[in-house]
Amino acid sequence: QKEVEQDPGPLSVPEGAIVSLNCTYSNSAFQYFMWYRQYSRKGPELLMYTYSSGNKEDGRFTAQVDKSSKYISLFIRDSQPSDSATYLCAMSDYSGYSTLTFGKGTMLLVSP
Amino acid sequence: GAVVSQHPSWVICKSGTSVKIECRSLDFQATTMFWYRQFPKQSLMLMATSNEGSKATYEQGVEKDKFLINHASLTLSTLTVTSAHPEDSSFYICSGEEEGATYEQYFGPGTRLTVT
Repeated sequence: QKEVEQDPGPLSVPEGAIVSLNCTYSNSAFQYFMWYRQYSRKGPELLMYTYSSGNKEDGRFTAQVDKSSKYISLFIRDSQPSDSATYLCAMSDYSGYSTLTFGKGTMLLVSP
Repeated sequence: GAVVSQHPSWVICKSGTSVKIECRSLDFQATTMFWYRQFPKQSLMLMATSNEGSKATYEQGVEKDKFLINHASLTLSTLTVTSAHPEDSSFYICSGEEEGATYEQYFGPGTRLTVT
């Protein structure tokens, strides 16, 4: 079993839809959770970063963490065609080293 | 957010030659830099972690004699792929982390390496 599981998609939605992206993990030591957006042939861009269970909101983005279920989500409201990209979840344990374990990424396609 | 650049963005080399990729943090001091490789439709796989002025720490399965990493300053790290082979063709991405900002890695745009 891989440490981080993420559905690769693609996930196709119409403009304006609410998008839900998810990751599950098996390592209970993971304490820090990040979401990155990666456009084709570009480096990942940090979107959200959280370390506690619950919700964290930033504009149209909401990150949700459920440590008891080992499940994290990223919600995108009012999705735009410019949101079309691959979304990677990443997480790290509290070992003092900041190495990240990434999911495979979910490709999102928002059609106008 | 902080900016990281990589050079070159795309390189083609012949099998057996060496290629150097530069990673620069433009507006912050990266005490720690990370090197990843990414195959098509795959996730980022960490290759090594380097701290300025120290030897890099390589992940299991990564040949340190093949992938030479130098973190000579707080704004520059280089990855040299020695004696490149076609199977080394991949997307190489670096990231930098500022001291005190643990877990907030800022990524470069990546370098596409094609070995013929």
